Amino acid sequence: SQTIHQWPATLVQPVGSPLSLECTVEGTSNPNLYWYRQAAGRGLQLLFYSVGIGQISSEVPQNLSASRPQDRQFILSSKKLLLSDSGFYLCAWSRTSGTTDTQYFGPGTRLTVL
Amino acid sequence: AQSVAQPEDQVNVAEGNPLTVKCTYSVSGNPYLFWYVQYPNRGLQFLLKYITGDNLVKGSYGFEAEFNKSQTSFHLKKPSALVSDSALYFCAVRGGGSYIPTFGRGTSLIVHP
Repeated sequence: SQTIHQWPATLVQPVGSPLSLECTVEGTSNPNLYWYRQAAGRGLQLLFYSVGIGQISSEVPQNLSASRPQDRQFILSSKKLLLSDSGFYLCAWSRTSGTTDTQYFGPGTRLTVL
Repeated sequence: AQSVAQPEDQVNVAEGNPLTVKCTYSVSGNPYLFWYVQYPNRGLQFLLKYITGDNLVKGSYGFEAEFNKSQTSFHLKKPSALVSDSALYFCAVRGGGSYIPTFGRGTSLIVHP
Protein backbone atom coordinates (compact mmCIF):
# COMPACT_ATOMS: atom_id res chain seq x y z
CA SER A 1 0.00 0.00 0.00
CA GLN A 2 1.00 3.61 -0.49
CA THR A 3 1.99 5.97 2.29
CA ILE A 4 2.78 9.67 2.27
CA HIS A 5 4.92 11.34 4.92
CA GLN A 6 5.50 14.97 5.75
CA TRP A 7 7.91 16.53 8.20
CA PRO A 8 8.18 18.34 10.37
CA ALA A 9 4.65 18.20 11.76
CA THR A 10 4.91 21.66 13.27
CA LEU A 11 7.38 24.49 12.79
CA VAL A 12 7.78 27.94 14.29
CA GLN A 13 10.14 30.20 12.40
CA PRO A 14 11.09 33.89 12.61
CA VAL A 15 10.43 36.26 9.72
CA GLY A 16 13.32 36.24 7.28
CA SER A 17 14.50 32.74 8.11
CA PRO A 18 14.76 29.96 5.51
CA LEU A 19 12.29 27.10 5.16
CA SER A 20 12.48 23.50 4.06
CA LEU A 21 9.50 21.15 4.23
CA GLU A 22 9.81 17.61 3.01
CA CYS A 23 7.31 15.15 1.58
CA THR A 24 7.96 11.56 0.61
CA VAL A 25 5.74 8.88 -0.87
CA GLU A 26 6.19 5.14 -0.45
CA GLY A 27 4.72 2.24 -2.37
CA THR A 28 4.31 3.80 -5.81
CA SER A 29 6.47 4.99 -8.70
CA ASN A 30 6.44 8.18 -10.73
CA PRO A 31 3.58 9.83 -8.84
CA ASN A 32 2.23 13.29 -9.50
CA LEU A 33 3.10 15.38 -6.47
CA TYR A 34 1.42 18.53 -5.16
CA TRP A 35 1.97 21.21 -2.52
CA TYR A 36 -1.05 23.02 -1.11
CA ARG A 37 -1.39 25.71 1.53
CA GLN A 38 -4.45 25.99 3.71
CA ALA A 39 -4.98 29.26 5.53
CA ALA A 40 -7.33 29.71 8.48
CA GLY A 41 -8.53 26.10 8.32
CA ARG A 42 -10.36 26.61 5.07
CA GLY A 43 -9.81 26.51 1.35
CA LEU A 44 -6.83 24.88 -0.32
CA GLN A 45 -4.46 26.90 -2.46
CA LEU A 46 -2.39 24.88 -4.93
CA LEU A 47 1.20 26.10 -4.79
CA PHE A 48 3.19 23.66 -6.95
CA TYR A 49 2.79 20.39 -8.75
CA SER A 50 5.23 18.01 -10.35
CA VAL A 51 4.79 15.26 -12.92
CA GLY A 52 8.37 13.98 -12.71
CA ILE A 53 11.87 14.51 -11.35
CA GLY A 54 12.98 18.08 -11.89
CA GLN A 55 9.62 19.08 -13.40
CA ILE A 56 7.91 21.73 -11.30
CA SER A 57 4.94 23.92 -12.17
CA SER A 58 4.11 26.95 -10.09
CA GLU A 59 0.53 28.05 -9.66
CA VAL A 60 0.99 31.19 -7.59
CA PRO A 61 3.88 33.69 -7.67
CA GLN A 62 5.39 33.99 -4.20
CA ASN A 63 8.60 33.66 -2.27
CA LEU A 64 8.30 29.88 -2.11
CA SER A 65 9.93 27.34 -4.39
CA ALA A 66 9.69 23.59 -4.83
CA SER A 67 12.06 20.89 -5.94
CA ARG A 68 11.80 17.20 -6.74
CA PRO A 69 15.28 15.73 -6.41
CA GLN A 70 14.04 12.13 -6.39
CA ASP A 71 11.03 10.34 -7.84
CA ARG A 72 9.11 10.20 -4.59
CA GLN A 73 10.47 13.25 -2.78
CA PHE A 74 9.03 16.74 -2.96
CA ILE A 75 10.52 19.69 -1.08
CA LEU A 76 9.04 23.11 -0.40
CA SER A 77 11.52 25.87 0.33
CA SER A 78 11.91 29.54 1.00
CA LYS A 79 14.98 31.69 1.37
CA LYS A 80 13.23 34.29 3.56
CA LEU A 81 9.91 33.65 5.24
CA LEU A 82 7.17 36.27 5.45
CA LEU A 83 4.44 36.53 8.06
CA SER A 84 1.95 35.69 5.31
CA ASP A 85 3.63 32.32 4.80
CA SER A 86 2.02 31.01 7.98
CA GLY A 87 -0.45 28.23 7.35
CA PHE A 88 -1.02 24.52 7.08
CA TYR A 89 0.99 22.96 4.27
CA LEU A 90 -0.27 19.80 2.67
CA CYS A 91 1.50 17.50 0.28
CA ALA A 92 -0.50 15.16 -1.94
CA TRP A 93 0.15 12.51 -4.57
CA SER A 94 -1.79 10.89 -7.36
CA ARG A 95 -1.07 8.32 -10.04
CA THR A 96 -0.11 9.73 -13.39
CA SER A 97 -2.69 7.86 -15.41
CA GLY A 98 -5.26 10.56 -15.83
CA THR A 99 -7.95 12.84 -14.61
CA THR A 100 -9.91 10.20 -12.74
CA ASP A 101 -7.18 9.55 -10.24
CA THR A 102 -7.66 10.38 -6.61
CA GLN A 103 -5.31 12.67 -4.72
CA TYR A 104 -4.07 11.32 -1.39
CA PHE A 105 -2.90 13.78 1.21
CA GLY A 106 -0.18 13.72 3.81
CA PRO A 107 -0.70 14.66 7.46
CA GLY A 108 0.41 18.26 6.91
CA THR A 109 2.89 20.71 8.43
CA ARG A 110 1.68 23.58 10.60
CA LEU A 111 3.98 26.56 9.94
CA THR A 112 3.88 29.65 12.15
CA VAL A 113 6.01 32.60 11.15
CA LEU A 114 6.59 35.10 13.94
CA ALA B 1 -12.37 26.46 -16.57
CA GLN B 2 -13.69 24.40 -13.71
CA SER B 3 -15.21 25.52 -10.43
CA VAL B 4 -16.86 24.14 -7.32
CA ALA B 5 -19.30 25.79 -4.96
CA GLN B 6 -20.09 24.66 -1.44
CA PRO B 7 -22.86 27.08 -0.58
CA GLU B 8 -22.92 26.41 3.17
CA ASP B 9 -20.04 27.40 5.42
CA GLN B 10 -21.53 25.34 8.22
CA VAL B 11 -24.13 22.60 8.56
CA ASN B 12 -25.61 21.69 11.92
CA VAL B 13 -27.42 18.41 12.48
CA ALA B 14 -28.50 16.38 15.48
CA GLU B 15 -26.95 12.98 16.07
CA GLY B 16 -29.02 10.25 14.46
CA ASN B 17 -30.56 12.57 11.88
CA PRO B 18 -29.72 12.42 8.18
CA LEU B 19 -27.16 14.89 6.90
CA THR B 20 -26.53 16.54 3.55
CA VAL B 21 -23.54 18.64 2.54
CA LYS B 22 -24.09 20.43 -0.74
CA CYS B 23 -21.77 20.78 -3.70
CA THR B 24 -22.35 22.16 -7.18
CA TYR B 25 -19.80 22.26 -9.97
CA SER B 26 -19.01 23.70 -13.36
CA VAL B 27 -16.69 21.94 -15.80
CA SER B 28 -16.28 21.34 -19.50
CA GLY B 29 -16.65 17.76 -20.55
CA ASN B 30 -17.28 14.91 -18.17
CA PRO B 31 -16.88 15.76 -14.49
CA TYR B 32 -14.87 13.67 -12.07
CA LEU B 33 -16.05 14.49 -8.57
CA PHE B 34 -14.51 13.83 -5.17
CA TRP B 35 -15.35 14.27 -1.50
CA TYR B 36 -12.76 14.56 1.25
CA VAL B 37 -13.00 14.98 5.01
CA GLN B 38 -10.53 16.85 7.21
CA TYR B 39 -10.30 16.56 10.99
CA PRO B 40 -8.55 19.35 12.94
CA ASN B 41 -4.84 19.61 12.21
CA ARG B 42 -4.93 16.58 9.93
CA GLY B 43 -4.59 16.04 6.21
CA LEU B 44 -7.56 15.46 3.93
CA GLN B 45 -8.94 11.94 3.82
CA PHE B 46 -10.57 10.62 0.67
CA LEU B 47 -14.24 9.62 1.14
CA LEU B 48 -15.58 8.80 -2.31
CA LYS B 49 -15.54 9.73 -5.98
CA TYR B 50 -17.77 9.69 -9.02
CA ILE B 51 -16.22 8.80 -12.35
CA THR B 52 -19.01 7.17 -14.33
CA GLY B 53 -21.85 4.72 -13.86
CA ASP B 54 -24.37 4.74 -11.03
CA ASN B 55 -25.34 8.19 -9.87
CA LEU B 56 -25.29 7.07 -6.23
CA VAL B 57 -21.75 6.51 -5.02
CA LYS B 58 -21.01 4.81 -1.72
CA GLY B 59 -17.88 5.63 0.22
CA SER B 60 -16.14 5.34 3.55
CA TYR B 61 -17.72 5.66 7.01
CA GLY B 62 -21.28 5.21 5.69
CA PHE B 63 -21.20 8.28 3.45
CA GLU B 64 -22.68 8.39 -0.01
CA ALA B 65 -23.06 11.04 -2.67
CA GLU B 66 -25.56 11.54 -5.46
CA PHE B 67 -24.43 12.78 -8.85
CA ASN B 68 -27.07 14.87 -10.61
CA LYS B 69 -25.99 15.92 -14.07
CA SER B 70 -28.95 18.17 -14.81
CA GLN B 71 -28.45 20.12 -11.60
CA THR B 72 -24.63 19.87 -11.79
CA SER B 73 -24.59 18.76 -8.17
CA PHE B 74 -22.81 16.14 -6.11
CA HIS B 75 -24.26 16.33 -2.60
CA LEU B 76 -22.75 14.28 0.21
CA LYS B 77 -25.22 12.36 2.39
CA LYS B 78 -25.38 10.06 5.36
CA PRO B 79 -28.58 8.47 6.70
CA SER B 80 -27.69 8.82 10.38
CA ALA B 81 -25.11 11.33 11.60
CA LEU B 82 -22.60 10.62 14.36
CA VAL B 83 -20.92 13.16 16.62
CA SER B 84 -17.62 11.81 15.27
CA ASP B 85 -18.64 12.95 11.77
CA SER B 86 -18.05 16.55 12.88
CA ALA B 87 -15.29 17.81 10.58
CA LEU B 88 -14.55 19.94 7.54
CA TYR B 89 -15.75 18.51 4.22
CA PHE B 90 -14.35 19.38 0.82
CA CYS B 91 -15.81 18.76 -2.60
CA ALA B 92 -13.48 18.71 -5.62
CA VAL B 93 -13.91 18.46 -9.39
CA ARG B 94 -11.69 17.58 -12.31
CA GLY B 95 -12.62 17.76 -15.94
CA GLY B 96 -11.62 18.78 -19.43
CA GLY B 97 -8.45 16.72 -19.39
CA SER B 98 -6.98 18.47 -16.36
CA TYR B 99 -5.33 16.41 -13.65
CA ILE B 100 -5.41 19.36 -11.27
CA PRO B 101 -8.62 19.32 -9.25
CA THR B 102 -10.45 22.40 -8.07
CA PHE B 103 -11.54 22.30 -4.43
CA GLY B 104 -14.48 24.01 -2.83
CA ARG B 105 -13.98 26.23 0.20
CA GLY B 106 -15.15 23.54 2.55
CA THR B 107 -18.22 23.04 4.74
CA SER B 108 -17.92 22.62 8.48
CA LEU B 109 -20.25 19.86 9.67
CA ILE B 110 -21.25 19.98 13.32
CA VAL B 111 -23.19 17.06 14.73
CA HIS B 112 -24.81 17.80 18.08
CA PRO B 113 -25.31 15.04 20.66
